[in-house]
Amino acid sequence: DQQVKQNSPSLSVQEGRISILNCDYTNSMFDYFLWYKKYPAEGPTFLISISSIKDKNEDGRFTVFLNKSAKHLSLHIVPSQPGDSAVYFCAARSYNYGQNFVFGPGTRLSVLP
Amino acid sequence: KAGVTQTPRYLIKTRGQQVTLSCSPISGHRSVSWYQQTPGQGLQFLFEYFSETQRNKGNFPGRFSGRQFSNSRSEMNVSTLELGDSALYLCASSPQRERADTQYFGPGTRLTVL
Repeated sequence: DQQVKQNSPSLSVQEGRISILNCDYTNSMFDYFLWYKKYPAEGPTFLISISSIKDKNEDGRFTVFLNKSAKHLSLHIVPSQPGDSAVYFCAARSYNYGQNFVFGPGTRLSVLP
Repeated sequence: KAGVTQTPRYLIKTRGQQVTLSCSPISGHRSVSWYQQTPGQGLQFLFEYFSETQRNKGNFPGRFSGRQFSNSRSEMNVSTLELGDSALYLCASSPQRERADTQYFGPGTRLTVL
């Protein structure tokens, strides 16, 4: 049973427009969430995080939104650039239960010039 | 600071053999986690070590084992390799085991089992 889901395997966006990547989770005990970006033949690179006590966190072009009642988080990239083309993973953990991070299956983002 | 390093980067083995992968965390990081990535499966958690002790273990058979040394370097061992063990094995380190810790990943070891 997947606790972290990314229901869109792929997404294509025009350069300069907004990219919205979605992530849903089932475990209400999750209290910390991360987004990673992964290029082929490289390890995932940390992008941005959010704690369950917040509903939004921004870092430059990246914003993560958390909706706890819907068990949903999203990553917004504005404006999208061709270099953003990669696989994006959502990860969640329940610190109080000593869990390690649980990762979603990833969404492949293609930013078209 | 140097990042997480993993050796070797690529490995080809045959069924039934065993393999040992190595991970050197970022200097000062005490927690090391291992993940398996296969196409369409995302990252599956294998285990986590902190201060030489295994703190968490994922749902993998006993053929997968690991250890951590006093300098925080970690090794992962897979015995009696199967074709399905072909994957990218990723190591991640974090400073402590605190709530807001971020895991930093190495480039991975690509294991191919023939």
